[in-house]
Amino acid sequence: GNSVTQMEGPVTLSEEAFLTINCTYTATGYPSLFWYVQYPGEGLQLLLKATKADDKGSNKGFEATYRKETTSFHLEKGSVQVSDSAVYFCALRFPNRNTPLVFGKGTRLSVIA
Amino acid sequence: DSGVTQTPKHLITATGQRVTLRCSPRSGDLSVYWYQQSLDQGLQFLIQYYNGEERAKGNILERFSAQQFPDLHSELNLSSLELGDSALYFCASSQTGVGTGELFFGEGSRLTVL
Repeated sequence: GNSVTQMEGPVTLSEEAFLTINCTYTATGYPSLFWYVQYPGEGLQLLLKATKADDKGSNKGFEATYRKETTSFHLEKGSVQVSDSAVYFCALRFPNRNTPLVFGKGTRLSVIA
Repeated sequence: DSGVTQTPKHLITATGQRVTLRCSPRSGDLSVYWYQQSLDQGLQFLIQYYNGEERAKGNILERFSAQQFPDLHSELNLSSLELGDSALYFCASSQTGVGTGELFFGEGSRLTVL
C-alpha cells in the first residue's frame, strides 16, 4: 500500500541552525506530496506541497523538492527560529483517485534560543 | 483560524460509554475527513464523506460510525469505548473529494477514556 516514512524525532536545534527532516514514500504511481505543520494546541495546516517530480514547494523559508528517483521529499530550512517549534508531517495523496491524505508519523522539532 | 469547527474540544468519559464528536466544515467545502491521532499510531485516516455520501473508509473500527448531514456538518460516533480509544480526533474539510487541494483541519477533539 501507499505509505510515508519520516525520520524519528524529536529533533532539537539551536536558533539559526540548518534543518533537515527526511521523508520518503512508497506508492504505486505518482502522488502529490505535502508537508503539514502542527503548532502546539492547534490543528494541522499546510506548509508546502509539490505535485510532480522535480517540483520544489516553498513557504516561510521552508523548502522541499519532489525527487522521484529517490522517492523522497525532504524538508529543509536554512535558519530555524524558536517559532518553528512544532510537529511536522509529511503526506501524500493521489490527485485523481478517491484516496485520502496519507501521513507519516510526524517529527517533533524543538528550537532553543 | 482554518474555518473548520470541532466540538467538544475536550471530553472525558468512561469505558463502555458512547460519545459523539461534531465537525462543521469550512463554508463551501463539500468533503469531510476524520482522522485519529495517537502517540503510537500517528495520524490514522478513519473515514471521508463527500456531499453526504461516504467516499472512502480507512482504519475505522466497527464500534465507530460517522455521517454527513444535508447542511454538510459531520458527526463521528464512538461507542463501547475502550481505554485505547483515547486520542485526538481531527476533522478536516476540502472543497472537493479528490485533487491536490489543501485539507483544512480543525483544532481537534481530545477524548480521554478512563
